[in-house]
Amino acid sequence: GESVGLHLPTLSVQEGDNSIINCAYSNSASDYFIWYKQESGKGPQFIIDIRSNMDKRQGQRVTVLLNKTVKHLSLQIAATQPGDSAVYFCALMNYGGSQGNLIFGKGTKLSVKP
Amino acid sequence: ETGVTQTPRHLVMGMTNKKSLKCEQHLGHNAMYWYKQSAKKPLELMFVYNFKEQTENNSVPSRFSPECPNSSHLFLHLHTLQPEDSALYLCASSPQDRPNSPLHFGNGTRLTVT
Repeated sequence: GESVGLHLPTLSVQEGDNSIINCAYSNSASDYFIWYKQESGKGPQFIIDIRSNMDKRQGQRVTVLLNKTVKHLSLQIAATQPGDSAVYFCALMNYGGSQGNLIFGKGTKLSVKP
Repeated sequence: ETGVTQTPRHLVMGMTNKKSLKCEQHLGHNAMYWYKQSAKKPLELMFVYNFKEQTENNSVPSRFSPECPNSSHLFLHLHTLQPEDSALYLCASSPQDRPNSPLHFGNGTRLTVT
């Protein structure tokens, strides 16, 4: 069956450095990919998404990279700030699916050291 | 403010109690969802409502009973729960139940079953 895995359950970075959070998936039919951020005591918050017809998409201080050949997804955060401390989830959906078919990873906890 | 409001934020109940979780979205969305978030596990989809119609019941035990009276409100009725049902219950909404309509989550209800 479908599976989504994160390379590291925790990541600690120095304030101002760049952060990279990685996600691997198993199903080649995965078509739509999303990153969510969940701060302590809050629900997940949408950060950025990407379709399979793209390999890179940029937002404000964040970049998502998709490598369909090796089924790998990454989230890059530039100039990491203390407010970026949170758990980051990747989620994916197969072609023709719906939000109800989203498959989530377990999450990577990002800690930012001042 | 996420636009999706969940009440109560915390709930402690005994196994013989009956309680309800409430979710309200102020975003004009047409799809609403219940998710369960347990420690060290990926988010688990429980129910999907699209235009007030339940479109997915992800093999959830009958002790969880959803209700969607309109597109803005969603309830989760709980009765005779088990201690393993203790978790964070997240409500989410999206414009429609399809890709490119990212989920907007509430901050959840932290449920403890004693």
